[in-house]
Amino acid sequence: AQSVTQLGSHVSVSEGALVLLRCNYSSSVPPYLFWYVQYPNQGLQLLLKYTSAATLVKGINGFEAEFKKSETSFHLTKPSAHMSDAAEYFCAVTTGTGTASKLTFGTGTRLQVTL
Amino acid sequence: NAGVTQTPKFQVLKTGQSMTLQCAQDMNHEYMSWYRQDPGMGLRLIHYSVGAGITDQGEVPNGYNVSRSTTEDFPLRLLSAAPSQTSVYFCASSRDYFTGELFFGEGSRLTVL
Repeated sequence: AQSVTQLGSHVSVSEGALVLLRCNYSSSVPPYLFWYVQYPNQGLQLLLKYTSAATLVKGINGFEAEFKKSETSFHLTKPSAHMSDAAEYFCAVTTGTGTASKLTFGTGTRLQVTL
Repeated sequence: NAGVTQTPKFQVLKTGQSMTLQCAQDMNHEYMSWYRQDPGMGLRLIHYSVGAGITDQGEVPNGYNVSRSTTEDFPLRLLSAAPSQTSVYFCASSRDYFTGELFFGEGSRLTVL
């Protein structure tokens, strides 16, 4: 079964600094991978997705992620953090096939942005 | 542009009570699902549906029932609430079951005393 591991439940960066949120997946076949963001008291929204096209995926709000098969990683980055980026971020992978296909989420990383 | 609507947003129950969390979407999505979110555990899939009349169990289905009589609605029923079901519940829908591009409701916070 495929799963994802997010390293670090809390990450704190200064405004303007690089954001790096780590995600590793376990998979025997190329997966579909996703990053979702959850702002306080809201549902999740899709940030970006990888579906076996370009390995560098650009998402909303200046975020991007690179699929590295050799490292089984899909880390999320943003060159310069903004206060509005403070949120919880979830990595996710599709598991199963056909009608049994479903999305499995990591445990989340809470990003804090300080002045 | 409603998207996915969940009601109620907050609910307090006593152990043993029953209730239904409502979920409706207006995007004509075939795939709908229910997740629960607990601190440190991410989101876990409870039940899902790939179309009207079709439902299946997810990772943590015990204590929950679902039905899908229409494309729009996917209610989640707790037959006999337990404190372990205290959580935030999210309904999500998608155009199809394999894209992974889920649209989420705003959540329903349930407390079972």
